[in-house]
Amino acid sequence: EVQLVESGGGLVKPGGSLRLSCAASGFTFSNAWMSWVRQAPGKGLEWVGRIKSKTDGVTTDYAAPVKGRFTISRDDSKDTLYLQMNSLKTEDTAVYYCTTDDSSGWEYFDYWGQGMLVTVSS
Amino acid sequence: DIRMTQSPSSLSASVGDRVTITCRPSQSISKYLNWYQQKPGKAPKLLIYAASSLQSGVPSRFSGSGSGTDFTLTISSLQSEDFATYYCQQSYSNPRTFGQGTKVEIK
Repeated sequence: EVQLVESGGGLVKPGGSLRLSCAASGFTFSNAWMSWVRQAPGKGLEWVGRIKSKTDGVTTDYAAPVKGRFTISRDDSKDTLYLQMNSLKTEDTAVYYCTTDDSSGWEYFDYWGQGMLVTVSS
Repeated sequence: DIRMTQSPSSLSASVGDRVTITCRPSQSISKYLNWYQQKPGKAPKLLIYAASSLQSGVPSRFSGSGSGTDFTLTISSLQSEDFATYYCQQSYSNPRTFGQGTKVEIK
């Protein structure tokens, strides 16, 4: 059974930093493309960014609102995905989901974690 | 960025009703269209990918159709567990974008 478990969320002040982790199990993590998707309170879904597998060059892509501030990385030896968030803004307040990202060409988000709330407030 | 427009934004329906939700991208996306269901306080769940392929384990009352700039999610006979918010999402190009959601409520 595929499981994705996020951790590391919480309250942080504007301008601060936070790192989310996503522990994966039930599939071959090293072969997987992974994404982060967020959802502000009461709002819709927003793709944050993606990291490809080592085989595909560990390439990363980011949405414009987070580019230059957020960094996605992975540790295949620990089956863990990370989201390093710097220079946080109040508008980054959201539930952050890690997802598996289909690598067959259709690029849908097939499995999701339970989500982790990040609150940016003074 | 490709803008995704869903309609309606919300609807009220009864158990057993046939429900149709439309998604229109701002440019042609071939069949790179996926549908998700989200219940309150829960993570989204993939229902349909590549416009019309049913994700494993999803009931057959869910179906998707369309290509280009016009897509539809249909629930053939609404069940109580289907009351939720539904999102379309394009995977044609980055940034991948979602529709604003359609909330399906009990009539």
